[in-house]
Amino acid sequence: DTGVSQNPRHKITKRGQNVTFRCDPISEHNRLYWYRQTLGQGPEFLTYFQNEAQLEKSRLLSDRFSAERPKGSFSTLEIQRTEQGDSAMYLCASSLQGGPNTEAFFGQGTRLTVV
Amino acid sequence: AQKITQTQPGMFVQEKEAVTLDCTYDTSDPSYGLFWYKQPSSGEMIFLIYQGSYDQQNATEGRYSLNFQKARKSANLVISASQLGDSAMYFCAMREPQSGYSTLTFGKGTMLLVSP
Repeated sequence: DTGVSQNPRHKITKRGQNVTFRCDPISEHNRLYWYRQTLGQGPEFLTYFQNEAQLEKSRLLSDRFSAERPKGSFSTLEIQRTEQGDSAMYLCASSLQGGPNTEAFFGQGTRLTVV
Repeated sequence: AQKITQTQPGMFVQEKEAVTLDCTYDTSDPSYGLFWYKQPSSGEMIFLIYQGSYDQQNATEGRYSLNFQKARKSANLVISASQLGDSAMYFCAMREPQSGYSTLTFGKGTMLLVSP
């Protein structure tokens, strides 16, 4: 297993277009997380899945954002009608279900630029 | 109120010297976990070290150690014998019991630059 994989690594899109990102977690991990990181900030939680169920969504996740994890494997994050404020690094992480010491493994992220 | 506060936007250190990166946190839960991650320019968050709220001893992992002062709610990262490859952003993060310890809350990070 090569770790958490995210595609694409970079995406430039015009304002108003839809974009979709993919995340392939570590295979045995049942939890998958999406975070957003803007310039000069730490990652901010967007949403997470336990297996195929989306268990929590942040208030940051507007109705233009949707995430899926069919069959509890890979996940996609779609942003509809992109805005310039959506420009950020989108990080995916995966982990086993556990307590406070549960380590999350991150992918290299997808950097989105909305022009 | 900020859950995780990192007050140092940037730090400079010379190669082979030690450096301390500050982190304070805010929680009312007795059970929580504290993490430090390194983020090089490639973007990936790399786990460095973990400290549990009930751990009696400070965590250590190779050149990394965590100065955990529970009463002060601080969890400072100490990097000994800095190397050029340590230049990166460093983030402190906390995991709390909400939602089954599901999410990490991150600070704003500290940029560390190691000079020859």
